Amino acid sequence: AQSVTQLGSHVSVSEGALVLLRCNYSSSVPPYLFWYVQYPNQGLQLLLKYTSAATLVKGINGFEAEFKKSETSFHLTKPSAHMSDAAEYFCAVRDTGNQFYFGTGTSLTVIP
Amino acid sequence: ETGVTQTPRHLVMGMTNKKSLKCEQHLGHNAMYWYKQSAKKPLELMFVYNFKEQTENNSVPSRFSPECPNSSHLFLHLHTLQPEDSALYLCASSHPGTGGGNTEAFFGQGTRLTVV
Repeated sequence: AQSVTQLGSHVSVSEGALVLLRCNYSSSVPPYLFWYVQYPNQGLQLLLKYTSAATLVKGINGFEAEFKKSETSFHLTKPSAHMSDAAEYFCAVRDTGNQFYFGTGTSLTVIP
Repeated sequence: ETGVTQTPRHLVMGMTNKKSLKCEQHLGHNAMYWYKQSAKKPLELMFVYNFKEQTENNSVPSRFSPECPNSSHLFLHLHTLQPEDSALYLCASSHPGTGGGNTEAFFGQGTRLTVV
């Protein structure tokens, strides 16, 4: 079975600082990778997805992620954090079927 | 708005009650999912339906009973729940395959369930 590991259950950054949320995947085949964001008492909203078209993927709200096969990583970054970025972030991988595997989530706090 | 609608948004029920959660999507997806999200725990996949057929039951207790009458609707019937079943229940849908770049799951807003 595939899996993703998110390093760091809590990340705090200052407003305007770089955001880096880490995700490593285990997959024996080229994966479909995703980052989702969840605000309190809401569902998960897609930030961006990797589907092998390009290794650097741009998403909504200024986020981007880079697929690095050699490191089996798909880290999420944003150059400058905004207060509205405070939320829970989930990395996920999909196999060639219908199964999605989610990481345990990273809670991002933005300090004013 | 993701195109996946869950009702109700909040539900409080006693341990002897019977209630149902509803999920509806009109995105043309044929795969639908129920997830349970408890505080301090990872997202737990409960059930997967593919073209109305259940393809995954992740060792979910029988007090949770899913129903998928068609590709657009998914229900989760609840009976004799326990307080530890209190959680956010999320419905999602996706294309059954990954062709054409249609790979992601779309989530509803969730139902916040409290069992008293």
